[in-house]
Amino acid sequence: EIVLTQSPGTLSLSPGEGATLSCRASQSVTGSYLAWYQQKPGQAPRLLIYGASSRATGIPDRFSGSGSGTDFTLTISRLEPEDFAVYYCQQYGSSPPVTFGQGTKLEIK
Amino acid sequence: QVQLQESGPGLVKPSQTLSLTCSVSGGSISSGSYYWSWIRQPAGKGLEWIGRIYSSGNTNYNPSLKSRVTISVDTSKNQFSLDLSSVTAADTAVYYCAKSSSVTRLDYWGQGTLVTVSS
Repeated sequence: EIVLTQSPGTLSLSPGEGATLSCRASQSVTGSYLAWYQQKPGQAPRLLIYGASSRATGIPDRFSGSGSGTDFTLTISRLEPEDFAVYYCQQYGSSPPVTFGQGTKLEIK
Repeated sequence: QVQLQESGPGLVKPSQTLSLTCSVSGGSISSGSYYWSWIRQPAGKGLEWIGRIYSSGNTNYNPSLKSRVTISVDTSKNQFSLDLSSVTAADTAVYYCAKSSSVTRLDYWGQGTLVTVSS
């Protein structure tokens, strides 16, 4: 099983600043099949990025993803108030086919 | 735009079977090549993938839950279902259903439903 470790656990920033969230895999992620989700309190997760760097439909271009192998990054440029949430990475692999990181909470400083 | 809505009992007794349904609107569950998944999230914790069913009927389950999980589709009702047997308090969580056009990601999610396992 591939274990995803996200860092930091909590990130405190101000609106307008940039954010960098990390997701590290215990083994190389197949085909860079790494996705990122945003979850706000009381809501379901929303797909932001898939294939490590492709934005999902309707996602603003201030969200970008990068990385390959075992190291992946979600970057949010110019934080908006609605961006403060919990972010999860997710990988597609063999068994189990889908695993998630433990999440990074992005909070307002 | 597809919409997914989970439904089922909010309270299940230990050792019983948890049964949930995901109703799909905005498209036929049997049209196209899609994956229909269940994911859960205990309060204040992270996400755990439970399993999925493909439009062909093939299923994949999380090995940690495989012995207790069944996912099925009812095309006549445009919905898919989750059965989780022999539940314990550890199965208390918000349960989400999701639709994907690829095995590699979860495109659209329902709002989730809280299931509590307690006597």
